[in-house]
Amino acid sequence: DIQMTQSPSSLSASVGDRVTITCRASQSISIYLNWYQQKPGRAPELLIYTASSLQSGVPSRFSGSGSGTDFTLTITSLQPEDFATYYCQQTYNTPRNIFGPGTKVDIK
Amino acid sequence: QLQLQESGPGLVKPSETLSLTCSVSGGSISSTSYYWGWIRQPPGKGLEWIGTIYYSGSTYHNPSLKSRVTISVDSSKNQFSLKLSSMTATDTAVYYCARYVEYCNSTSCHGFFDYWGRGTLVTVSS
Repeated sequence: DIQMTQSPSSLSASVGDRVTITCRASQSISIYLNWYQQKPGRAPELLIYTASSLQSGVPSRFSGSGSGTDFTLTITSLQPEDFATYYCQQTYNTPRNIFGPGTKVDIK
Repeated sequence: QLQLQESGPGLVKPSETLSLTCSVSGGSISSTSYYWGWIRQPPGKGLEWIGTIYYSGSTYHNPSLKSRVTISVDSSKNQFSLKLSSMTATDTAVYYCARYVEYCNSTSCHGFFDYWGRGTLVTVSS
């Protein structure tokens, strides 16, 4: 089975900071990697699909990159509403889905 | 605007079977472009995919849940359902239903969950 890891598991940042979260797959998944944002008590929301495609309605400060085994989610200027937990998800061998363990972004 | 709403008991006894339903509004569950899935999240933990169903009835589920999972679809009601048998305390979680958008190239298919229900907390306790 393909395993997903994320780093860091948590980070503290300030409004306006540039934030980078990494997701790594145990084997190549090409570009079949999605990113979700989840706020406390809420369902996850899709941010990025196929590694770098921005979901409709998602602010342009969010971007994704990578292919193969290493992927990055970048928030260029962190906003108050961005404090949340971020999950990656691989769908290389869909319909099976594997989510990463998550990265919590909180206020410094 | 597509909306999904989970419904079912909030409390289940150990060894019993959980039954949840997801009602879809604002779109047809019979659309050929989409699958429909269940995902759960234990309190304070990450997301776990449970399974996915196509309107035709084709299902896929997480092997870690073995034969405990049954997912079905009722197109006439625009609903799909989850049954999880032999519940234990480790099955305590928020259960989400979601729409899975599938896209295919010449060799493989992939996707993402774009619409989610609000989730329903299911507690397993006697």
